[in-house]
This record gives sequence, structure tokens and C-alpha cells, in this order.
Amino acid sequence: QKEVEQNSGPLSVPEGAIASLNCTYSDRVSQSFFWYRQYSGKSPELIMSIYSNGDKEDGRFTAQLNKASQYVSLLIRDSQPSDSATYLCAVRDSSYKLIFGSGTRLLVRP
Amino acid sequence: GAVVSQHPSWVICKSGTSVKIECRSLDFQATTMFWYRQFPKQSLMLMATSNEGSKATYEQGVEKDKFLINHASLTLSTLTVTSAHPEDSSFYICSANVRSSGNTIYFGEGSWLTVV
Repeated sequence: QKEVEQNSGPLSVPEGAIASLNCTYSDRVSQSFFWYRQYSGKSPELIMSIYSNGDKEDGRFTAQLNKASQYVSLLIRDSQPSDSATYLCAVRDSSYKLIFGSGTRLLVRP
Repeated sequence: GAVVSQHPSWVICKSGTSVKIECRSLDFQATTMFWYRQFPKQSLMLMATSNEGSKATYEQGVEKDKFLINHASLTLSTLTVTSAHPEDSSFYICSANVRSSGNTIYFGEGSWLTVV
């Protein structure tokens, strides 16, 4: 069974710090990886997608992918209280289904 | 702006009745849409894949006779929760694959269902 694992947290960081969120996946042939942010009571919104090994940067966000280790991470620089949310790691399989991790709750302390 | 629209945002229904949730793709055609359910403080669980013009594909453990999915057009998929029970109360979310955005999957706003 395909699995995506995340630490449930909460991960607490002070405002301005770097938040590091991690995710591992079990399906070695996976090619597409996504990070979604979900505020309480709201639908997930896409933050980053990454398909190749290495880093991908978009503003304050950097996604990192290591297919050999089956590991994907999200770094949030200069964390803001508004970044406090649950971050969902998702892996897409060959039929375009998204398999989600359980999410990591991030708390950014003012 | 939103590329996938869901309606209603929230609904309360009586136990034993049926409720329909609509999912529309805006400005693009979606041959495939996905329906998820999320219970409080849990992750999204895929319920079924909605295929335009054909039967939906249900995930293991999801009752197809209880959760009716209709995808009659390229821009609309509906989920009907039949004979609803309080344990069906949940956050239901649809998503669609947007080919023009590199096959990125976008989510609707979600629908809160409360069965009383």
C-alpha cells in the first residue's frame, strides 16, 4: 500500500525563523510531489510542486526532493504567524490520484 | 482565482435524507475529478475518482451505493450522500486535474456536511 508519512507536530518556531517540514513516501516510482497548506476549516491550497531531485525555490518557500531516499521537504524562511497552518505532503501516482500524508501542524510564535 | 468551485459550502440535513454536493471546473474541462473526505484533525482520504461519461471508481471501503457520483459533463461532478447518518458528517472536498497548469491538482472550497 502506498504511504506518505509526516510528523504530525505541532512544529513550533519563532517568527522570522526557518521552518523545516519533512515527508517520506513508500512508492519508489512516484514522480510528482506537492506541498499543500490547509488552514483550519478550509480546503488545501497548493504551495509548491516538485518533480526533479534537488531544490526548487518560490519566494520564502523551498521544496527539496531526494528520490533515492524517498524524501521530500519544505523549508519556510522568515516564518510569519500567518504561516501557522497544517502542511500536507502529497504524492501523485500514475493514475493522477494524490496520496496525502497526515499533515504537520506548524505554529509560528509572534 | 478559484479554478474549481464547490457548492454548497455547508449543509445541514436530517438523518435518513440525501444531500447533493456539486463540483464545477471553471474555464477548463475536467474529464477526471476526485472526491475526498476529511474528518476533524485527520488527513484527506480519497473516496472516489469521478470519470466523465462513465462510472466512478471507488476506493476500497467506500460504499458506492451510499455515495453516488455523477459526472455527466466535462465541467460538473456531483456527489450525493444517500440516507445520511450522523457519522457521515464531514468535510467533503473535490479536486480536478488542470492540464494547462502542468497537471496540477486544484481543490474546491470544500463542503461541510452536518447530519442531525
